[in-house]
Amino acid sequence: GESVGLHLPTLSVQEGDNSIINCAYSNSASDYFIWYKQESGKGPQFIIDIRSNMDKRQGQRVTVLLNKTVKHLSLQIAATQPGDSAVYFCAQRTTGRRALTFGSGTRLQVQP
Amino acid sequence: DGGITQSPKYLFRKEGQNVTLSCEQNLNHDAMYWYRQDPGQGLRLIYYSQIVNDFQKGDIAEGYSVSREKKESFPLTVTSAQKNPTAFYLCASSISLAINTEAFFGQGTRLTVV
Repeated sequence: GESVGLHLPTLSVQEGDNSIINCAYSNSASDYFIWYKQESGKGPQFIIDIRSNMDKRQGQRVTVLLNKTVKHLSLQIAATQPGDSAVYFCAQRTTGRRALTFGSGTRLQVQP
Repeated sequence: DGGITQSPKYLFRKEGQNVTLSCEQNLNHDAMYWYRQDPGQGLRLIYYSQIVNDFQKGDIAEGYSVSREKKESFPLTVTSAQKNPTAFYLCASSISLAINTEAFFGQGTRLTVV
């Protein structure tokens, strides 16, 4: 079945360090992936997406890596800032099921 | 401003009552979704709609109902059949179910059964 899970429930980093948040998925038919950021009491905000025909995509301070061989997705945040503290979700979409499936989330805590 | 508006932000319900959560979007999106989020957990899909007058059950549809009479609106009713309705409810929309683009989320409604 479809599932999206995360390796680490909580990640604590020092301000200025790089952060890496990991995500595993199980459905090889997944063709589109998104990372969302959710602050407490708010709706998720889009960070970056990647299609299955790519293995890397970069945004402003963020990079998403996709390894289809091992069904693994990661989000890298450069020079992590206090404002990056939030819960991060990966989500996937598969052919035949167009609504997004979400993982359980990773809480990123940025220490000053 | 274009976006998704959910109301109310907080909602209290007595056991045995039905309540309706509002979701309106002015993004001209065809697809709309409802997700449920429990503390410390991810989002689970309740219902989704790809076009007016059409909607599909998600993974946890039991105890919920929806309608899609207008493109802009996708209200969710939490019925008395939902045994554990206390949760954070999130509405989202995207351009189309047929296109791989991101879904935009509202700010959520926190429902509490008292």
